[in-house]
Amino acid sequence: AQSVTQLGSHVSVSEGALVLLRCNYSSSVPPYLFWYVQYPNQGLQLLLKYTTGATLVKGINGFEAEFKKSETSFHLTKPSAHMSDAAEYFCAVSGNAGNMLTFGGGTRLMVKP
Amino acid sequence: KAGVTQTPRYLIKTRGQQVTLSCSPISGHRSVSWYQQTPGQGLQFLFEYFSETQRNKGNFPGRFSGRQFSNSRSEMNVSTLELGDSALYLCASSLEGSLRSGANVLTFGAGSRLTVL
Repeated sequence: AQSVTQLGSHVSVSEGALVLLRCNYSSSVPPYLFWYVQYPNQGLQLLLKYTTGATLVKGINGFEAEFKKSETSFHLTKPSAHMSDAAEYFCAVSGNAGNMLTFGGGTRLMVKP
Repeated sequence: KAGVTQTPRYLIKTRGQQVTLSCSPISGHRSVSWYQQTPGQGLQFLFEYFSETQRNKGNFPGRFSGRQFSNSRSEMNVSTLELGDSALYLCASSLEGSLRSGANVLTFGAGSRLTVL
């Protein structure tokens, strides 16, 4: 079975500050991990995906995430927040087979000018 | 390349009615998944179809059903609507049969927002 926990349902940062969104997972198989972003009234857009190999994954819009097996974490970071980053972010883990994702509860990122 | 298209985008129904939502995947994609998104429960997996066969099903009552056609388009149906069925229903398509296969990922549509009165 798989599960995802996102710590902090709301995160507020100033424009230009570091963005850190936390994700911890539980998986009965080696995890494949994903970060998605959702803007208001839109669907989910893939930011990045971890499969195997390099533990630091770079995604779109300057985001990256690091897979830490010992901590069962996959935190999302961006060095400098932009106003356009304000959105809801979802961490997800895939199952053993098929195309099913288990999502975390989401973190709403607010960026202050 | 067109993305995942969901119709209708918005709809309002009353309790007891039924609703059908449609999803056209990206051309060439054979897998279609459906998710329900609500403020209280978050994103929950409904079911997945691959080559017209339901492969996985989430923990939803039998009022929720779906199907996939030979052209990979999919529909989901909710019968005897309840107030709690008000949600954003998201469809996602993927090329391959498994997210553990290479670069395969889910691409989501914009969703169908259902309001039940």
